[in-house]
Amino acid sequence: EPEVTQTPSHQVTQMGQEVILRCVPISNHLYFYWYRQILGQKVEFLVSFYNNEISEKSEIFDDQFSVERPDGSNFTLKIRSTKLEDSAMYFCASSDASGNTIYFGEGSWLTVV
Amino acid sequence: KNQVEQSPQSLIILEGKNCTLQCNYTVSPFSNLRWYKQDTGRGPVSLTIMTFSENTKSNGRYTATLDADTKQSSLHITASQLSDSASYICVVRLNTGGFKTIFGAGTRLFVKA
Repeated sequence: EPEVTQTPSHQVTQMGQEVILRCVPISNHLYFYWYRQILGQKVEFLVSFYNNEISEKSEIFDDQFSVERPDGSNFTLKIRSTKLEDSAMYFCASSDASGNTIYFGEGSWLTVV
Repeated sequence: KNQVEQSPQSLIILEGKNCTLQCNYTVSPFSNLRWYKQDTGRGPVSLTIMTFSENTKSNGRYTATLDADTKQSSLHITASQLSDSASYICVVRLNTGGFKTIFGAGTRLFVKA
């Protein structure tokens, strides 16, 4: 069964450093998403991406975040200058055009120290 | 404010028993409601999706209901198994162009032998 894959699975970074989280969505999907889950808290929507541009973003997705689809298969989330509170599991997801079922990757654990 | 509230927060049941999880939402404009299962440290996996006009939908031992008038949904699990131990998350999608979603905090289900 096709799946969303994410790398790295874990990353530790120093405060202030830039981080890029990578995702390979399911190949025939058109919508791509990033979500965040702080340890012990609920999953939070960050951003949706369609046709090479952001479709919608939440209040969390401020200027330190950016997304990009650098080629035909990868979808990345960049955090420009990490803060301690950015420590969380980041989930990438994708869906077809209907968006009815969103398929999640296994997540990337980010720890900012 | 768009919110999704779930109850109970956690639940312990014996293997083979049934259980029902609740979700109340105040989300507008409403598009659909989904139930996800999330194992600890893993990405959520979709169980069911309910649209405005659907009242009941089953997927194996999972049966979801939706009352769009009262803005309530439930997930009923029949004949629970040890592998059902996980968090069950209610997710409501807004009827906006970018498929923004609001997640509940989840119900943590423990199935004991």
